[in-house]
Amino acid sequence: EVQLVESGGGLVQPGRSLKLSCVASGFTFRNYGMNWIRQAPGKGLEWIAYISSGSSYIYYAETVKGRFTISRDNAKNTLYLQMTSLRSEDTALYFCAKQREVQPFDSWGQGVMVTVSS
Amino acid sequence: DIQMTQSPASLSASLGETVTIECRASEGIYNGLAWYQQKPGKSPQLLIYNTNSLHTGVPSRFSGSGSGTQYSLKINSLQSEDVASYFCQQYYDYPRTFGGGTKLELK
Repeated sequence: EVQLVESGGGLVQPGRSLKLSCVASGFTFRNYGMNWIRQAPGKGLEWIAYISSGSSYIYYAETVKGRFTISRDNAKNTLYLQMTSLRSEDTALYFCAKQREVQPFDSWGQGVMVTVSS
Repeated sequence: DIQMTQSPASLSASLGETVTIECRASEGIYNGLAWYQQKPGKSPQLLIYNTNSLHTGVPSRFSGSGSGTQYSLKINSLQSEDVASYFCQQYYDYPRTFGGGTKLELK
């Protein structure tokens, strides 16, 4: 069974940093591209970052480019999102999701909440 | 960026009814279109990919269609467990973009 388990969320002050993790199991992690997608409370879905299976290709949404860094450790089956210069508008539930090649997000984690507030 | 416009934003329907949700892309996405279902307090689940292919385990009462810039999701014979929010998403280009969502409720 595919499992994606996010962690590392919490309450953080504006301007500070936070690092999210997503531990994968139940599939061959190194063969899949991975994504971070977020959902502000009561709002829709916003894709924010993608990393290819071997980390050769990385894409970001403009809203986080230059502030967030996606990375992965295939030996540890773990995806990361380093978030810096956090803003109140970054408050959201953050999901990791996997994908095959040029395909949609076929499995999602349960999400981890990030709240940016003073 | 490709904008995805989804309608309606909310929908109320009766059990057994057929419902349709529309999604329009601001430019052609060449069938790189997926639909997700999100139940309250849960993560989204993939329903349909490549416009009309059912993801593993998805009931056959769900179907997708469309081409170019216009796509739709149809739910035949609405069941109580279909109460959820539905999102379309294009994966033709980066940034990946979602429609605003449709909240489906029972009448």
